[in-house]
Amino acid sequence: DTGVSQNPRHKITKRGQNVTFRCDPISEHNRLYWYRQTLGQGPEFLTYFQNEAQLEKSRLLSDRFSAERPKGSFSTLEIQRTEQGDSAMYLCASSPQRGPHYEQYFGPGTRLTVT
Amino acid sequence: AQTVTQSQPEMSVQDAETVTLSCTYDTSENNYYLFWYKQPPSRQMILVIRQEAYKQQNATENRFSVNFQKAAKSFSLKISDSQLGDTAMYFCAFMMAGNTPLVFGKGTRLSVIA
Repeated sequence: DTGVSQNPRHKITKRGQNVTFRCDPISEHNRLYWYRQTLGQGPEFLTYFQNEAQLEKSRLLSDRFSAERPKGSFSTLEIQRTEQGDSAMYLCASSPQRGPHYEQYFGPGTRLTVT
Repeated sequence: AQTVTQSQPEMSVQDAETVTLSCTYDTSENNYYLFWYKQPPSRQMILVIRQEAYKQQNATENRFSVNFQKAAKSFSLKISDSQLGDTAMYFCAFMMAGNTPLVFGKGTRLSVIA
């Protein structure tokens, strides 16, 4: 399977716990994006990387959120001290930096439920 | 900041019929890209069709076509010969040139009825 993969697919955690999600992009894609999607809404941008460099962070990304892409391949998104408002689907997407298509390929998402 | 508006939260269409989903956007940029993404129930988002703002010709992909009106900042999606497998959430999305993050609308839930 050469698509974008995300793990875990589902995560249930108690308020106050820390969680970490992983995204493996398509191997030749050097751009990687994180989005958050709540019920009934479109995805909202959180942050993105070009190789290992984090290029932009949304104001939605509070201090409790941190993302890394240490070797320019997979990425992790960590949420510390989770709150009920963090419950959402977390989507990862990847794309090549250049090219005529500018298509972002999405993974299946990680659904987070904070109880 | 760019915004994308989808004014139809839900729509339904009979199979084999044609349906049009609406999308408007706001930007001061001149060079950008527009997309329609499909998100089937419990499945991942996939690209349906893309439009480059510098192209006057409307994009088409098999049964899917767009009506891109740059001056009006409108980007509607037409699905012809609707099929049951077209049932999904459809998101309109905007991207500035340079492969930047996407800005999505809230989506339109389309149901194709047999």
